[in-house]
Amino acid sequence: SQTIHQWPATLVQPVGSPLSLECTVEGTSNPNLYWYRQAAGRGLQLLFYSVGIGQISSEVPQNLSASRPQDRQFILSSKKLLLSDSGFYLCAWRGIVATDTQYFGPGTRLTVL
Amino acid sequence: AQKVTQAQTEISVVEKEDVTLDCVYETRDTTYYLFWYKQPPSGELVFLIRRNSFDEQNEISGRYSWNFQKSTSSFNFTITASQVVDSAVYFCALSERGTSYGKLTFGQGTILTVHP
Repeated sequence: SQTIHQWPATLVQPVGSPLSLECTVEGTSNPNLYWYRQAAGRGLQLLFYSVGIGQISSEVPQNLSASRPQDRQFILSSKKLLLSDSGFYLCAWRGIVATDTQYFGPGTRLTVL
Repeated sequence: AQKVTQAQTEISVVEKEDVTLDCVYETRDTTYYLFWYKQPPSGELVFLIRRNSFDEQNEISGRYSWNFQKSTSSFNFTITASQVVDSAVYFCALSERGTSYGKLTFGQGTILTVHP
């Protein structure tokens, strides 16, 4: 069965510091991968998606970037965090067999002070 | 553009009551998927159900049931005999079928609190 991992689970970072969040998927090959952010208002915002290694598409211009160095690894980064980057970051995967169901990881709660 | 509306921001019920969470969507696509996810206090989004736009049959899974009506563009979710463990934020979502990346459009969510 497929599982998705995210780490760290929680993170407190000062403004201006770098960021690296990691997401890995097990039990599937060539998944579509997604990064979402959930701010205090509860809505989920798609940040990035990837349909393959090295392929990244951005949905919203922002202070963040994403990379996919391996088939089942998705990384969210920032060179300098802003207060507005605080939130709950969720990674999700979807199989290439187009069932269109996205499955989510446990999330990372980021607080920027 | 696609849109999902969950008009109920918060719902509070007492255990064993039935509760219905409303979801109304907008899309110009003729084929699409609709979803419900549950987000318990731990934060992880848990997939509950997917419905194909061509399949309007209602579905029941234990205490959960879903009513999909294309005529009113609604995909409502009912919990029968609610329990405290049902307390969570529930999201309805819409996906264009067949896109290369399957973008999900989420509603703003409904906070359900079930009191003992």
